[in-house]
Amino acid sequence: DAGVIQSPRHEVTEMGQEVTLRCKPISGHDYLFWYRQTMMRGLELLIYFNNNVPIDDSGMPEDRFSAKMPNASFSTLKIQPSEPRDSAVYFCASSFSTGELFFGEGSRLTVL
Amino acid sequence: AQSVTQLGSHVSVSEGALVLLRCNYSSSVPPYLFWYVQYPNQGLQLLLKYTSAATLVKGINGFEAEFKKSETSFHLTKPSAHMSDAAEYFCAVSEWPQFYFGTGTSLTVIP
Repeated sequence: DAGVIQSPRHEVTEMGQEVTLRCKPISGHDYLFWYRQTMMRGLELLIYFNNNVPIDDSGMPEDRFSAKMPNASFSTLKIQPSEPRDSAVYFCASSFSTGELFFGEGSRLTVL
Repeated sequence: AQSVTQLGSHVSVSEGALVLLRCNYSSSVPPYLFWYVQYPNQGLQLLLKYTSAATLVKGINGFEAEFKKSETSFHLTKPSAHMSDAAEYFCAVSEWPQFYFGTGTSLTVIP
């Protein structure tokens, strides 16, 4: 079975540019999570969806961040405009209700 | 909200020695507990999970963890460390759908 697929694996961009990260969850999973990992703050939950509906976006740092899940097999996390402090590894994870999280390999973002 | 404490951000063991990674949580009721492993430049991979069945949980790669309610602990152990065990290990507590992760323990295995 294919796991959670994220793209791109690495992204280097300049401050002010738009960044779009993509995620394909495991087929059949009804929850999708976006996390951010940094050395300083560890793993932070940004937002999660249930059946494609955003449930809790309280972890989204500011209005520059947005996430969508147009269908059960695709989600995006967009940062516009990007800033150097957004540099981090962004993980997508999916799950069945009450199950464990299955993580993708992450998208490493560097904003210069 | 839950909190998870992992004692020791860095642990070094010799190859073949016992691995013990500590995790304490704050819940007053039996939670769902997890250990994840993260290898360099990879995502988190589930090692094992406790869901109120047996208190001793066996996971992949020879790891196991014991749930101790009286100590609110869920320590991870492996009898004999292997070089391939070098990684970052995260303890997590779930109050579905919220997951609370510890800050991680980096395991170094010395040949």
